[in-house]
Amino acid sequence: NAGVMQNPRHLVRRRGQEARLRCSPMKGHSHVYWYRQLPEEGLKFMVYLQKENIIDESGMPKERFSAEFPKEGPSILRIQQVVRGDSAAYFCASSPYGGEPYFGPGTRLTVT
Amino acid sequence: ELKVEQNPLFLSMQEGKNYTIYCNYSTTSDRLYWYRQDPGKSLESLFVLLSNGAVKQEGRLMASLDTKARLSTLHITAAVHDLSATYFCAVGSETSGSRLTFGEGTQLTVNP
Repeated sequence: NAGVMQNPRHLVRRRGQEARLRCSPMKGHSHVYWYRQLPEEGLKFMVYLQKENIIDESGMPKERFSAEFPKEGPSILRIQQVVRGDSAAYFCASSPYGGEPYFGPGTRLTVT
Repeated sequence: ELKVEQNPLFLSMQEGKNYTIYCNYSTTSDRLYWYRQDPGKSLESLFVLLSNGAVKQEGRLMASLDTKARLSTLHITAAVHDLSATYFCAVGSETSGSRLTFGEGTQLTVNP
């Protein structure tokens, strides 16, 4: 059973470009969570999704950030018009409902 | 709003010594996780604690949970250099699915 997969593992974008981060949950998991980790800090919750639904987006910045988890395919975290402050590691976790979350390897975004 | 505080944030210790990392949280929770993170890596799950008085041990690490005091501890026995890493506690609740609130992390350095 493959674990949570994230791609790309490293992403470099210039200021103003768009970043798309993908997360494929573990087989059988229908709940996906995105977290952001700024350098030297802990993980901060961003958004919680089920298939085709956003359950909790209380941690998402109001502008430029969006997330989706379509019926088919991976969950996508999209950052439009990236700025230097978006440079961080973005982790995805998946779980069955109420179960232990399993974390992916992360995508390290660098904005130049 | 759930708050999770760890202390100390930085810990430098000698090989062979014992020490404890503390994790306090602000509201009722029914699950607590401890993770290890090496630089540039993802999170490695160490312990899941689900009930008051739970104690789990793996090698030189032992974790406990006191839900009444809203406190978990991670005890390190006879530290070795390989334990050098950042340790996070994270708190969840059944009502929030598997969304976790993380502490700031404890950066542990074990010196020869």
